[in-house]
Amino acid sequence: KQEVTQIPAALSVPEGENLVLNCSFTDSAIYNLQWFRQDPGKGLTSLLLIQSSQREQTSGRLNASLDKSSGRSTLYIAASQPGDSATYLCAVTPMNTGFQKLVFGTGTRLLVSP
Amino acid sequence: NAGVTQTPKFQVLKTGQSMTLQCAQDMNHEYMSWYRQDPGMGLRLIHYSVGAGITDQGEVPNGYNVSRSTTEDFPLRLLSAAPSQTSVYFCASSYLTDILSNQPQHFGDGTRLSIL
Repeated sequence: KQEVTQIPAALSVPEGENLVLNCSFTDSAIYNLQWFRQDPGKGLTSLLLIQSSQREQTSGRLNASLDKSSGRSTLYIAASQPGDSATYLCAVTPMNTGFQKLVFGTGTRLLVSP
Repeated sequence: NAGVTQTPKFQVLKTGQSMTLQCAQDMNHEYMSWYRQDPGMGLRLIHYSVGAGITDQGEVPNGYNVSRSTTEDFPLRLLSAAPSQTSVYFCASSYLTDILSNQPQHFGDGTRLSIL
């Protein structure tokens, strides 16, 4: 059974710092891996989606990498801002379950202080 | 352009009561699903549907019923609410081909349900 783990569970940094969030998964048979942002009281917003054949994806100050063989992904946030404060979720789409049956990690709660 | 709309946003129930969580999407997506989010756990799939008239169970289906009579709507029913069903519920939708084109799902803002 696929399991997704995110470390750390919470992170507090001062504004301007570069930071890395970690995600690991137990089964490398995946279609893709996604990073989501969740604001309090809100739904999930997809930030980056990495296909199983890709190594990384970039969007603005965000860069996500994927090492499928080792079951790891990282989300790099450059020059963090208070507006980046949110919970970041990692999710994989397993190959053996079909459709978009996402398996989520428990998330990393990020606080960026001014 | 409403996307995925969930109602209500908040609800408090007593044990044994029944209710329906509503989910509607206006993007003509074939695939719709329900997840629950609990503290210390990732979102877990409850039920999903690949089109009108077709539903199937996810990881944690017990205590929940679903139906899909139209493409737009995918309601989640709690027939006899239990305190263990206190959670935040999210609905999501996508085209069936999105998994091949690697497009992300669209999520609603969630329903926060407390059962006393």
